[in-house]
Amino acid sequence: EPEVTQTPSHQVTQMGQEVILRCVPISNHLYFYWYRQILGQKVEFLVSFYNNEISEKSEIFDDQFSVERPDGSNFTLKIRSTKLEDSAMYFCAITYRQGRLGGTQYFGPGTRLTVL
Amino acid sequence: ELKVEQNPLFLSMQEGKNYTIYCNYSTTSDRLYWYRQDPGKSLESLFVLLSNGAVKQEGRLMASLDTKARLSTLHITAAVHDLSATYFCAVDGDSNYQLIWGAGTKLIIKP
Repeated sequence: EPEVTQTPSHQVTQMGQEVILRCVPISNHLYFYWYRQILGQKVEFLVSFYNNEISEKSEIFDDQFSVERPDGSNFTLKIRSTKLEDSAMYFCAITYRQGRLGGTQYFGPGTRLTVL
Repeated sequence: ELKVEQNPLFLSMQEGKNYTIYCNYSTTSDRLYWYRQDPGKSLESLFVLLSNGAVKQEGRLMASLDTKARLSTLHITAAVHDLSATYFCAVDGDSNYQLIWGAGTKLIIKP
């Protein structure tokens, strides 16, 4: 059983456009993470989110990126002005608890973002 | 800099053979995760190793953790084609809010 779903599964956009990627947990998880994976490369942490606040963000997560929970359930990642190098798979992950007590992170199916 | 290093990065093997993937890490984490990823798919959790000496087995896969050596191994016994995938190890980052990932081992098992 998937813990989390993501929409869309594939997003194609023009460079400079804004995109919003959505993550929908099956149950009411409090702890969310976004990762990205450029094709064939390693998984990179972007940001973690807890109790409606960013817990931590990586160097990749610059001012072009933002996250929020607009309706208390969905969890979104927004890229304001996409660049070619933003093309990647974006994964949402959840845990039941945070940090060293958090345990396994369960990943959504991912959104493939293609920037032209 | 926190590092997680896997080797080999690519492995092609015949069905029925045994092999081991190694994961070295530089953090002080006492937990280590193994994930599997099929091409174009998401990351599927395989094992969570919670302490030094932990060993877990599922089918033909067995994972172990030596926190003193900062080393985990994923052993494949009598490989079958269905195990072909990319395997990632990951550890908790020092800040507790992220996972630090290895580069992945792409495993191809030939019939």
